[in-house]
Amino acid sequence: GQNIDQPTEMTATEGAIVQINCTYQTSGFNGLFWYQQHAGEAPTFLSYNVLDGLEEKGRFSSFLSRSKGYSYLLLKELQMKDSASYLCAVKDSNYQLIWGAGTKLIIKP
Amino acid sequence: GAGVSQSPSNKVTEKGKDVELRCDPISGHTALYWYRQRLGQGLEFLIYFQGNSAPDKSGLPSDRFSAERTGESVSTLTIQRTQQEDSAVYLCASSPTSGDQWEQFFGPGTRLTVL
Repeated sequence: GQNIDQPTEMTATEGAIVQINCTYQTSGFNGLFWYQQHAGEAPTFLSYNVLDGLEEKGRFSSFLSRSKGYSYLLLKELQMKDSASYLCAVKDSNYQLIWGAGTKLIIKP
Repeated sequence: GAGVSQSPSNKVTEKGKDVELRCDPISGHTALYWYRQRLGQGLEFLIYFQGNSAPDKSGLPSDRFSAERTGESVSTLTIQRTQQEDSAVYLCASSPTSGDQWEQFFGPGTRLTVL
């Protein structure tokens, strides 16, 4: 079967750095996405990785290792507004997005 | 430009009633997806439309659920004889195509409560 694993919840301090891991087992791979979802709101796109390596976008970076079936989202200089759920999703061989359950990130002052 | 819109934003219904949820995708987006999200949980894929191709209905949980799409525009998700376990947020997303690099753009969702 297809599976996306992420930690359920993480806590970090304002101004710090946090890394949210995602491991996947899917039938084929056509890219990995990270989305942010604030409570009561729809998910919004953060990043896309299809090749191995690190993609940096401001305070957020996303890393992919296809051989390990592994990705992480790195958030730097954390702000209170970063408190949200972070969803990892993989496009399989049919170009369908397989979603993880999300990681709830709690930022403390 | 306008994003994905959904209506109604909230729907409260009684067990056994039928409900219809509407999604207006971004103009020009050929791919449209419906998801269900229960409280505190991840996204559950329901159905996917791509242009004029036959929809992928593999995620529909039962024959009480159905969806239609008119060309490359509006889609409606219908739930017949609603049950309490149908209570969730129903999210619609659209994408220019289903190709690899395109992210999905989500609507605000419809919160369905079945009493």
